Amino acid sequence: AQTVTQSQPEMSVQEAETVTLSCTYDTSESNYYLFWYKQPPSRQMILVIRQEAYKQQNATENRFSVNFQKAAKSFSLKISDSQLGDTAMYFCAFGLGSEKLVFGKGTKLTVNP
Amino acid sequence: NAGVTQTPKFQVLKTGQSMTLQCAQDMNHNSMYWYRQDPGMGLRLIYYSASEGTTDKGEVPNGYNVSRLNKREFSLRLESAAPSQTSVYFCASRPRGGGRPYEQYFGPGTRLTVT
Repeated sequence: AQTVTQSQPEMSVQEAETVTLSCTYDTSESNYYLFWYKQPPSRQMILVIRQEAYKQQNATENRFSVNFQKAAKSFSLKISDSQLGDTAMYFCAFGLGSEKLVFGKGTKLTVNP
Repeated sequence: NAGVTQTPKFQVLKTGQSMTLQCAQDMNHNSMYWYRQDPGMGLRLIYYSASEGTTDKGEVPNGYNVSRLNKREFSLRLESAAPSQTSVYFCASRPRGGGRPYEQYFGPGTRLTVT
């Protein structure tokens, strides 16, 4: 069974600085998808970024980028120029050719003014 | 489009009571899901439905039943609520195939407390 591990339960960063959230996963498959979801205090789950395992290029969405290391089974999220609105829980998720996603336990990020 | 909607937003039950959480999506998605979110546990899959007329168990199905009423609606029923079912429940849906496989779209959640 696939597992997703987020080793940092909580992190904090100063506004305008850069922060990196870690995620590792375990799978024997070669073709899969990885996601980062954001959950602000409103509780709504919002997709931040996605990465297809067969693509070597790291995904980027504005201030959000990933460092995908397939051999190491690592998928970290970098947030540049952190903003107060980035304060949220961040969940890493893994998806295969099945219907299901497996989520990590989350990292609570606080951006301080 | 409203996306994924859930009712109710909040609910308090007494132990042993039953209730149904409702979920609907207007994006013509094939697959629908029910998760529960507990502090420090992330999201855990309760049940999912890959298409109208089919349902499958997820990681934590005990104490729950589901119905895929039609393509739009997927309900979650607690027959005899227990305090261990106190949680936030999320419904999600996703299209099959297309340009963004596997991405799931989430509803706003239902906070359920069982006393």
